[in-house]
Amino acid sequence: AQKVTQAQTEISVVEKEDVTLDCVYETRDTTYYLFWYKQPPSGELVFLIRRNSFDEQNEISGRYSWNFQKSTSSFNFTITASQVVDSAVYFCALDLGGDYNNNDMRFGAGTRLTVKP
Amino acid sequence: NAGVTQTPKFRILKIGQSMTLQCTQDMNHNYMYWYRQDPGMGLKLIYYSVGAGITDKGEVPNGYNVSRSTTEDFPLRLELAAPSQTSVYFCASRSRDYEAFFGQGTRLTVV
Repeated sequence: AQKVTQAQTEISVVEKEDVTLDCVYETRDTTYYLFWYKQPPSGELVFLIRRNSFDEQNEISGRYSWNFQKSTSSFNFTITASQVVDSAVYFCALDLGGDYNNNDMRFGAGTRLTVKP
Repeated sequence: NAGVTQTPKFRILKIGQSMTLQCTQDMNHNYMYWYRQDPGMGLKLIYYSVGAGITDKGEVPNGYNVSRSTTEDFPLRLELAAPSQTSVYFCASRSRDYEAFFGQGTRLTVV
């Protein structure tokens, strides 16, 4: 069965610090998709990034970067020079490609990031 | 383009009452999902659907039912509400290139 683990329940940093949110996943499928979502205090889910299992290139978008390593089944998310507006709960998610006729999308428990001024 | 629309946004139910949470999407997505998010927790998958007429259980289906008679609509039914079903419910649809779109959520309290 597929599973997503976000071992860090809460992280607190001071503004301008860099912070990395960890995500480890489990699946027997060879085709799958990994995601990060942000949930600010207002409650909605904001899509940040999608990565498929065949693309291990790291990605950078402004202050955000993602490190995908299939060898360790990890898809970590780094925020550089954090800001107070980055305070939110961040979720990692796994969506299978249907190799075993399994089409659901599972989320990790989330990491609550607090950035203090 | 409305995306994924959930109604109602808030609801208070008494124990034993029933209700239907509505979800509709206008993006012609085949895949749709219902999740619940308990306070301070992650999202748990209740049910999902890969197309009209096809539904399947997720991690926490007990106490819920779904139907998918059209591509656009994926209602979630609670037959006998229990306090354990107090949660925020999110509906989502997924595009062919695996991007998920979420509704704004329904905050349900069972008292």
